[in-house]
Amino acid sequence: QVQLQESGPGLAKPSETLSLTCAVSGASISSDNWWTWVRQPPGEGLEWIGEIFHGGSTNYNPSLKSRIRISLDRSKNQFSLNLSPVTAADTAIYYCAKVGVTGTSLDHWGQGTLVTVSS
Amino acid sequence: QSALTQPASVSGSPGQSITISCTGTSSDVGGYNYVSWYQQHPGKAPQLMIYDVSNRPSGVSNRFSGSKSGNTASLTISGLQAEDEADYYCSSYTSSGTRVFGGGTKLTVL
Repeated sequence: QVQLQESGPGLAKPSETLSLTCAVSGASISSDNWWTWVRQPPGEGLEWIGEIFHGGSTNYNPSLKSRIRISLDRSKNQFSLNLSPVTAADTAIYYCAKVGVTGTSLDHWGQGTLVTVSS
Repeated sequence: QSALTQPASVSGSPGQSITISCTGTSSDVGGYNYVSWYQQHPGKAPQLMIYDVSNRPSGVSNRFSGSKSGNTASLTISGLQAEDEADYYCSSYTSSGTRVFGGGTKLTVL
């Protein structure tokens, strides 16, 4: 079955670049799918960050667009999120997810990784 | 883009039915039949419960159902069970080619 696993630093300093990776198993990121990042500040709701198509096209949340970049690494079957510069407001659990075949929902999620931004 | 509007909390007794609303605009909920619903238990990742307004993924109980009227989508849970206590989020595709979530609703089973 499809599984996703996020990895990242856990702690980032303000003004630095946050890099997260999502390793995918049970599916190929080069197949006909979109791959998504979602975040959730502690005790708050979900926020869609952006996503990337298997061909490399991207869609980003307008509120984050100037600071984010999502990319694919087909050789490792993983995709990544770069967010720069980070502030304390970027402290959140970051989830990666796979978009379902209809393109309209997120049918598989990683377990999430907590990132704290603090000096 | 603005978050979709959900009630902060709903509650019901075991066996009862509850409905959670999700209000957007003609640029998201009202413009497409692309509303999905997610269940999130504390400390866990969200799980897809409903997609394309009213479709259930394999393995999701038929006690969960979805509908839409105009700019408002709804999730109904019938025959409430203790295990249904969780946070629920709606989401919609938008005319900008992005996705937007609702603020979330905490369901309490009394």
